[in-house]
Amino acid sequence: AQSVTQPDIHITVSEGASLELRCNYSYGATPYLFWYVQSPGQGLQLLLKYFSGDTLVQGIKGFEAEFKRSQSSFNLRKPSVHWSDAAEYFCAVGRGSTLGRLYFGRGTQLTVWP
Amino acid sequence: GAGVSQSPSNKVTEKGKDVELRCDPISGHTALYWYRQSLGQGLEFLIYFQGNSAPDKSGLPSDRFSAERTGGSVSTLTIQRTQQEDSAVYLCASSLLGVGNTGELFFGEGSRLTVL
Repeated sequence: AQSVTQPDIHITVSEGASLELRCNYSYGATPYLFWYVQSPGQGLQLLLKYFSGDTLVQGIKGFEAEFKRSQSSFNLRKPSVHWSDAAEYFCAVGRGSTLGRLYFGRGTQLTVWP
Repeated sequence: GAGVSQSPSNKVTEKGKDVELRCDPISGHTALYWYRQSLGQGLEFLIYFQGNSAPDKSGLPSDRFSAERTGGSVSTLTIQRTQQEDSAVYLCASSLLGVGNTGELFFGEGSRLTVL
């Protein structure tokens, strides 16, 4: 069965520090991988996605993620965090171009100290 | 409209009452999804509609939950005889499948349901 694990429930970083949010998935085929961000009181917004090709993908707001098949991981990174990045981050996995349902992790809450 | 619209944004109901939650997807999007977000539980898939195909209802937690999509556009999620454990934020999303598919789900801001 498909599943997504985000091992960190809550992460706190100082503004300007680097960030890495972990995501591991379990999937029987080539996965389609996504990171979404949810700011307080707002809907989820797509940060980036991986379908195929280059395993390092760039997203909006300076985020990037690297797909590592051997580790079944798709970790999200940002070299320098801004206070506005404080939000909840969700990793998700889907299948194929028809997508169907996405399987989401439980989310990682990011707090940024000034 | 410009985005996915959900109503009501907040709903407080008494245990045992029925509720209806509405989703108006982005115009032209052929796929529509309902998810439930409970505190600390991430997003739980409920149901998925794609075009005229039979919906994928595999995520509905009980037969008290049902959803329909009329005319390939607006969708209504109905919860009958609500229970306190139904309290959650119900999120709707739509996406464009087929030609031009980017794989992105566009989410509404959700309907927060509180069952007293």
